[in-house]
Amino acid sequence: QVQLQESGPGLVKPSQTLSLTCTVSGGSISSGGYYWSWIRQHPGKGLEWIGYIYYSGSTYYNPSLKSRLTISIDTSKNQFSLKLSSVTAADTAVYYCARQRTISGFDYWGQGTLVTVSS
Amino acid sequence: DIQMTQSPSTLSASVGDRVIITCRASQSISSWLAWYQQKAGKAPKLLIYKASSLESGGPSRISGSGSGTEFTLTISSLQPDDFATYYCQQYNTYPWTFGQGTKVEIK
Repeated sequence: QVQLQESGPGLVKPSQTLSLTCTVSGGSISSGGYYWSWIRQHPGKGLEWIGYIYYSGSTYYNPSLKSRLTISIDTSKNQFSLKLSSVTAADTAVYYCARQRTISGFDYWGQGTLVTVSS
Repeated sequence: DIQMTQSPSTLSASVGDRVIITCRASQSISSWLAWYQQKAGKAPKLLIYKASSLESGGPSRISGSGSGTEFTLTISSLQPDDFATYYCQQYNTYPWTFGQGTKVEIK
């Protein structure tokens, strides 16, 4: 059974960089056919796809966040990570990591982690 | 970006009711549509992919249909476990986008 787990600070100061890591267990992140994504949900709101990384390192970022976003992968640790720079209160959200099959939706999700941007 | 519009935003129903949720895309997405169920404080759960394919382990009372720009999620007989918020998501065109959600409440 594949499991994903987000980790990282729950509080980030404005203008700083938000950094989260997703650890994958029960399967190899190097398996082809899967995109490893970050998705966020503002409090009480809907879902926003942030971007994905493939095991090869290729990425696609949501243009709305592209200038501030970096997603990376560490296959040796079975992890992928998110860095979002110059954060503001508008970046306060629950951040999820998730796996997507190439023809499917997001079939496995982490439990989500709330990140609050506040001084 | 492709806009995904769900209707209704809120739906009040009783156990045993047939429930239909609609999702409309601002341009054609072929059949590249997924449906998710989300309960409070939990991650979304994949129900349907490619518009009509039931995710493994999903209940047979849930079905999806549609293509192009119009899609529906149907729950044939609403069960207590089905009271939740439902989201559609397109993965035809980047950036992938979600509908705003439909909350299914107890009547």
